[in-house]
Amino acid sequence: SSELTQDPTVSVALGQTVRITCQGDSLRNYYASWYQQKPRQAPLLVIYDKNNRPSGIPDRFSGSSSGNTASLTITGAQAEDEADYYCNSRDSSGNHVVFGGGTKLTVL
Amino acid sequence: QVQLPQWGAGLLKPSETLSLTCPVYGGSFSGYYWNWIRQPPGKGLEWIGEINHSGSTNYSPSLTSRVTISLDTSKNQFSLKLSSVTAADTAVYYCARGWYCNGAGCYKYYYYMDVWGKGTTVTVSS
Repeated sequence: SSELTQDPTVSVALGQTVRITCQGDSLRNYYASWYQQKPRQAPLLVIYDKNNRPSGIPDRFSGSSSGNTASLTITGAQAEDEADYYCNSRDSSGNHVVFGGGTKLTVL
Repeated sequence: QVQLPQWGAGLLKPSETLSLTCPVYGGSFSGYYWNWIRQPPGKGLEWIGEINHSGSTNYSPSLTSRVTISLDTSKNQFSLKLSSVTAADTAVYYCARGWYCNGAGCYKYYYYMDVWGKGTTVTVSS
């Protein structure tokens, strides 16, 4: 079982704002990173550190954290944002990497 | 720009050893963690293990008895071996570069994987 917990599915109306959450004890000491994965593609890093975006990632993607919960927010969701989203961190020991179970985002 | 054009055998029989290699083009090993991740059909991402530039490894507790990750600095590549495969090991296998901020300069620790290979589909079937 994953040490990071995500809601399996989330939906959002086109142009609206959606928040995807990730919970886990290790997130009290680690910022989560977030990945977008579209069908038959490798995961793509969209958020890392406190709230940093790699080059080329639109600024509608943002990250935040509070306590044991990390959040990925998409402000003004677009059709192309429909994908699976995974959070990622180290575990509480720091010796292993963990992924959340993933959230399937549907843009209506 | 760093690229990870991974390669390896895609069809194995039960009990065989999976072997995949990930060359690192356009960058060095220094300072990074080099990961293997897999994704069974229709399921989420599962971390297999990592190796750092010094050759120190960490493995998933669920796979540690069967996994070996190694580094070949002369060829600028790292490799995965998974022994005694079964149908449960059928998955897309990815290599990825990781960055770990866990030192005094980090307000809060973080870890991310910023460069990924395209993935290799591995099927285990008799």
